[in-house]
Amino acid sequence: DAMVIQNPRYQVTQFGKPVTLSCSQTLNHNVMYWYQQKSSQAPKLLFHYYDKDFNNEADTPDNFQSRRPNTSFCFLDIRSPGLGDAAMYLCATSPGGSGYTFGSGTRLTVV
Amino acid sequence: GEDVEQSLFLSVREGDSSVINCTYTDSSSTYLYWYKQEPGAGLQLLTYIFSNMDMKQDQRLTVLLNKKDKHLSLRIADTQTGDSAIYFCAARGRAGTALIFGKGTTLSVSS
Repeated sequence: DAMVIQNPRYQVTQFGKPVTLSCSQTLNHNVMYWYQQKSSQAPKLLFHYYDKDFNNEADTPDNFQSRRPNTSFCFLDIRSPGLGDAAMYLCATSPGGSGYTFGSGTRLTVV
Repeated sequence: GEDVEQSLFLSVREGDSSVINCTYTDSSSTYLYWYKQEPGAGLQLLTYIFSNMDMKQDQRLTVLLNKKDKHLSLRIADTQTGDSAIYFCAARGRAGTALIFGKGTTLSVSS
């Protein structure tokens, strides 16, 4: 039973057209993270929510935003995707301690 | 902030042991992790070690931690072709609860 679910698994979007990626969890974890992973690179943290508190990494572009309407859901919005935003986007959750659970990721293609 | 380094490639024969090495910079990292990623997939937690431990064994996996040298290793005994994947070392960073990843080691297992 998947506990961190990301939809869709694959997303194709047009250059400049806003796109939203979704993550949901059944673990009731306090913390939800979004990572960007480009080909052959390490996952890079974009931002995270600790409950409702939003924490943005200093080098996350303004083009990326996030929403967490409730404990279970977190969304990644890319306002104007560029070719350089093509990547795998990974959602993860944590109870705030040591355990992290990752979703299967959404692979974003920008055409 | 935390920096995590890994060698990029390792090639072994089926049945041999594989040893993947990692170094990190933040001595206050309390948990250190190993994740496995197969092509096109998300991150699968293999094992983790708490910083007050030197070693942890889990079936074919052995994690060694040298806290003085900030060095972590993952040994896979009796490596199988199904172990071919990218292995990421990750540390919990100082600034918050997020994981900081190394660039990943690509393990190639030949029969």
